[in-house]
Amino acid sequence: GENVEQHPSTLSVQEGDSAVIKCTYSDSASNYFPWYKQELGKGPQLIIDIRSNVGEKKDQRIAVTLNKTAKHFSLHITETQPEDSAVYFCALQKDTGRRALTFGSGTRLQVQP
Amino acid sequence: GAGVSQSPRYKVAKRGQDVALRCDPISGHVSLFWYQQALGQGPEFLTYFQNEAQLDKSGLPSDRFFAERPEGSVSTLKIQRTQQEDSAVYLCASSLPRMLMNTEAFFGQGTRLTVV
Repeated sequence: GENVEQHPSTLSVQEGDSAVIKCTYSDSASNYFPWYKQELGKGPQLIIDIRSNVGEKKDQRIAVTLNKTAKHFSLHITETQPEDSAVYFCALQKDTGRRALTFGSGTRLQVQP
Repeated sequence: GAGVSQSPRYKVAKRGQDVALRCDPISGHVSLFWYQQALGQGPEFLTYFQNEAQLDKSGLPSDRFFAERPEGSVSTLKIQRTQQEDSAVYLCASSLPRMLMNTEAFFGQGTRLTVV
């Protein structure tokens, strides 16, 4: 079945620095890879996603890279701001069979002003 | 509505009590998912509906958990004879699949269940 490992579990950076979170997975049938941001007391919110036919996607300060051969994908946040502080989850999903999202264990990002 | 709405936001139940958690998905969204999120962990899948059909309930941890979506819109997750290990945040998500492709899942704020 699907399994996804996420690292690091906590990450502290100075405002303006970059942050990188990595996830590895085992099921080669996975073809949709979203990243969610969860603030305290709220539900997860999609910040960026990528499909298996794309190697990289960028949206302003956020980018995601995908290496299907090595089965890992990463979230990159540049020019971090205090409001980026939250828990970030990677996830994956298949278009066939089991339709549920499988989530990583989360990374708590703290951006120090 | 503007987003996925869940009620109640907080629920305290005595051990052995039955609870019902409600989810109002985004209007028109075909797919509806329930997830359980324990403290400090990622959400874990419970069950999935496409319209009124429950297509996957493989994540339900025991037969005390039951979910329904009778008219293909509002869904209810029911937990019978609650136990302390049921304490968690229960998240509902909905999406509008495009053809056979997965698209963004929108999450509600969740219901925090505490069993005492």
